[in-house]
Amino acid sequence: KNQVEQSPQSLIILEGKNCTLQCNYTVSPFSNLRWYKQDTGRGPVSLTIMTFSENTKSNGRYTATLDADTKQSSLHITASQLSDSASYICVENVGDMRFGAGTRLTVKP
Amino acid sequence: NAGVTQTPKFQVLKTGQSMTLQCAQDMNHNSMYWYRQDPGMGLRLIYYSASEGTTDKGEVPNGYNVSRLNKREFSLRLESAAPSQTSVYFCASTPRGLQGDYNSPLHFGNGTRLTVT
Repeated sequence: KNQVEQSPQSLIILEGKNCTLQCNYTVSPFSNLRWYKQDTGRGPVSLTIMTFSENTKSNGRYTATLDADTKQSSLHITASQLSDSASYICVENVGDMRFGAGTRLTVKP
Repeated sequence: NAGVTQTPKFQVLKTGQSMTLQCAQDMNHNSMYWYRQDPGMGLRLIYYSASEGTTDKGEVPNGYNVSRLNKREFSLRLESAAPSQTSVYFCASTPRGLQGDYNSPLHFGNGTRLTVT
């Protein structure tokens, strides 16, 4: 199985709330696993990268975690803002890059 | 720096028509890529160029051709458009060359939205 799977497909939360997005990847070990944010009508932009030896990495209000035993990565967003409304894409780098279909997050006021 | 620039932003074609999507980057990157993005699916690689003068097929190359014109520019051509090619097309680049450096992120353009009727 060489598909990266993300859940949920879509999520709606209220401004100020936290949320967690999930990514099931395919290969252990891998070169790296990266999370991208894609605003509507724009190209994806890198948020954070995790190498196989890392368990957690933070970038401001975004925290990515990695569990090699279950082949899962999570992206936790704290104190959400309206500008967090976007799609979040998980990408596994195993030489070639495997893209998840993304989670569409909507933050409502 | 503009980063990765794609033209046009939108295009409508009739079945059988041809067109070229243009991409240019000003970051002196070695590798460039063309992806398509369809609803409910991850980005899929059409073609890539690991360095100036080389191009290789990706996951979904049928119906497309590419040209790495120079280090900055990488174009994607549809010779005879089909409705199945309706999609959003993204160009991307990384500093990575033939030597590796797999930790470089992809830098994406803002896409070309193509509809084939």
